[in-house]
Amino acid sequence: ELKVEQNPLFLSMQEGKNYTIYCNYSTTSDRLYWYRQDPGKSLESLFVLLSNGAVKQEGRLMASLDTKARLSTLHITAAVHDLSATYFCAVVQGTSGSRLTFGEGTQLTVNP
Amino acid sequence: NAGVMQNPRHLVRRRGQEARLRCSPMKGHSHVYWYRQLPEEGLKFMVYLQKENIIDESGMPKERFSAEFPKEGPSILRIQQVVRGDSAAYFCASTLDIIGSRGYTFGSGTRLTVV
Repeated sequence: ELKVEQNPLFLSMQEGKNYTIYCNYSTTSDRLYWYRQDPGKSLESLFVLLSNGAVKQEGRLMASLDTKARLSTLHITAAVHDLSATYFCAVVQGTSGSRLTFGEGTQLTVNP
Repeated sequence: NAGVMQNPRHLVRRRGQEARLRCSPMKGHSHVYWYRQLPEEGLKFMVYLQKENIIDESGMPKERFSAEFPKEGPSILRIQQVVRGDSAAYFCASTLDIIGSRGYTFGSGTRLTVV
């Protein structure tokens, strides 16, 4: 059974600092997705990573995928308050599956 | 493109009643997934459907829960004889293709409260 683990689960950081959220998964996969969720809201798609070595950047966020290590990272550069939210990674098992398995989420708070 | 539409946004049911949650996928998407999110937790897969077919229902409780995606109309998640433990946010997602090459688009969710 595919297991997806994120760490840290809670992250409090100051504006202007950098930090990385880690997403580890337990079985072979070549598709990984990052989402943002604000309280009481739906999931907003951030990144779609479809191959080993994929790196994508949008604003202050950058995501990467290492399928050999079964690891994805979400790097935050010079955090701002608006980035406060819960971030989820989600993985599809194998190369032909289609259902997403989610990590527990990382609750990020950026303090002014 | 209106995105994935779910309704109702909020639903209150008494124990023992039925809850019907509806999901209209994005235009052109024929793959629909239902997920459940308990407070302070991640999303848990329930069921994957294509038009008129249930492809994977391995995450659905064996009793009281059913799902359909008819040829015409939205996908429906039906919960019979609801209990307090069914209170959660239920999200629907749709994809263009089976491998999610352009991602999975989520609806706004239905927040079910059982009183």
